[in-house]
Amino acid sequence: AQSVSQHNHHVILSEAASLELGCNYSYGGTVNLFWYVQYPGQHLQLLLKYFSGDPLVKGIKGFEAEFIKSKFSFNLRKPSVQWSDTAEYFCAVNAQGATNKLIFGTGTLLAVQP
Amino acid sequence: DTGVSQNPRHKITKRGQNVTFRCDPISEHNRLYWYRQTLGQGPEFLTYFQNEAQLEKSRLLSDRFSAERPKGSFSTLEIQRTEQGDSAMYLCASSPTGELPLYQETQYFGPGTRLLVL
Repeated sequence: AQSVSQHNHHVILSEAASLELGCNYSYGGTVNLFWYVQYPGQHLQLLLKYFSGDPLVKGIKGFEAEFIKSKFSFNLRKPSVQWSDTAEYFCAVNAQGATNKLIFGTGTLLAVQP
Repeated sequence: DTGVSQNPRHKITKRGQNVTFRCDPISEHNRLYWYRQTLGQGPEFLTYFQNEAQLEKSRLLSDRFSAERPKGSFSTLEIQRTEQGDSAMYLCASSPTGELPLYQETQYFGPGTRLLVL
């Protein structure tokens, strides 16, 4: 069965610090990978997604993620965080060919201190 | 606002009561999903509709749960004889049917309905 692991449950950073959130998935076939974000009081929204091609994908608000197939990883990065990046971040996968149900990780709560 | 809407946003009920939630997807989105999110967890898939057809149901969806999507527009999720373990955020998402393969479609989430069973 597919599963997603997010190693960091809580991360606290100061503004301008660099961010890397880990995500590992378990699935033997071809997967599609997503990062969703939930800002305080708002609903889940897509940050970025990877299906194929260049393993380095860029999303909104300066976020990027790198797919490393050999490590089953899809880590999220941002060179310099802002206070407005305070949110909960979810990594998700689905399997190509299956229905489009998403399997989510447990989420990482990021707090950026001004 | 043209996003996914859900009603009610909050529901408090007593154990054993029935509750019904509604989801209105983005206009012309043919695919609709229900997820459940408990505290400290990510959303978990419950069920999926394409138009009015319910094509997949999770094992999480016990006999007390039923979902419908009459006419392929809005959807309802009903929980009968609620239990305290049903307390969660119930999320609805929709995605368009277009030129992309199914697995490449972006799901757009609504604000959720938070259920508390006392």
